[in-house]
Order: sequence, then structure tokens, then C-alpha cells
Amino acid sequence: AQSVTQPDIHITVSEGASLELRCNYSYGATPYLFWYVQSPGQGLQLLLKYFSGDTLVQGIKGFEAEFKRSQSSFNLRKPSVHWSDAAEYFCAVGAPNDYKLSFGAGTTVTVRA
Amino acid sequence: AAGVIQSPRHLIKEKRETATLKCYPIPRHDTVYWYQQGPGQDPQFLISFYEKMQSDKGSIPDRFSAQQFSDYHSELNMSSLELGDSALYFCASSLYGGGVETQYFGPGTRLLVL
Repeated sequence: AQSVTQPDIHITVSEGASLELRCNYSYGATPYLFWYVQSPGQGLQLLLKYFSGDTLVQGIKGFEAEFKRSQSSFNLRKPSVHWSDAAEYFCAVGAPNDYKLSFGAGTTVTVRA
Repeated sequence: AAGVIQSPRHLIKEKRETATLKCYPIPRHDTVYWYQQGPGQDPQFLISFYEKMQSDKGSIPDRFSAQQFSDYHSELNMSSLELGDSALYFCASSLYGGGVETQYFGPGTRLLVL
């Protein structure tokens, strides 16, 4: 079964600084990878996804992620963080011929002025 | 663009009561998924339906049941509620393509069991 690890529980970043959130997955073949963001009390919004092809994926709100098979990673990045990016970020993995997503524990991002 | 609709958004129940959560997928989406997110936890997959048939099952308690109707909306029925059932319940929908597809999540139903 596939699984996801998000090593960082909480990250604090200054507004305007860059942000990188780590995600490591466990799956025998090429997985389907997703990043979702959840603002307090809100639902999950899809930021970006990777199914195949170009390993650098662009998403909404200026986010990007890079799939690295050799490191089993799918890290999320943003060059310049805005205060509105404060939220919880979940990495998720799915497998071909499977329906469910398996989520990581999430990383909470705090943005300081 | 139309999104996934869930109702109610908030629900308060007593122990041992029943609850029904409803999910209306994005138009033309034929697959529905249910997830449970406990306080401070990541979402856990409960169950999914494709074309009104159960397509996958996760850690859903036997006290819970779900179905998908002909108009593709889905209902999650929860009986004999326990304090531990207090959580945020998400519904997601997708358009079936033969496997994992991009799932679009609704705003969730926050259930509080007292």
C-alpha cells in the first residue's frame, strides 16, 4: 500500500521569503501525487498534481512541485510567500487502479510579517 | 465553476443518535469519495462509489453505511454515534478514468457528537 510522509509538522516563514515543504512517498511504481491546501475551518483545495511527464509541475497561487523518483519525493515550493499562504498543506498519493488517496500528516505554515 | 456541495455544514448530535450527511458532486462527475478528518489529523479514506456501486472501502466502521444515487449524489449514514465520531467529513468527486483521478473536495461537514 502507498503511504506519504511529511517530515515537517510546522514551518514558520517570513512574508516574501521562499517556502519549501517536503513530501516523501512510498510506492513501488510511479505514483499519482497531489498537494492540497486547507485553510482553517475550510475544505481541501487542490494546488497541483503529478501523474506523468514533466517532473516539474506548476500549480495555482504560484506554487510548484518537483517529482524526484530517485528520492521518492514530491516537494512543494513557492518563491515568495504571502500572508494568505498561511494554512495547512497536505501531500497525498494515489496508485493506478486504486481509488483512494492516502494523505500525509500535513504541514502547518505560519507566515510572519 | 460549480463545486462539490455538502450538507449540512455543521451537525450536532448526541451519543447513540444517527446522522445523515449528503454530498452533491460536481456536475458530470460520476465518482464520489468520503473521508474523515479527526481533530489535528490527516483525512482518512472511508469509502467510494462509482456509478452507484461501491468501488473501494477503507476504514469505515460497520455502524456507517453509504450509497450513491442515480443522480450521483451520495449519502453517508452514521448510526449509534460515538464521541470519537466527532470529525470533519469530506466528500470529494471525480470523473472516472480508470483509476486514480483528480479528486475535488467539498467544504466538509463538521460533526460534533456530545
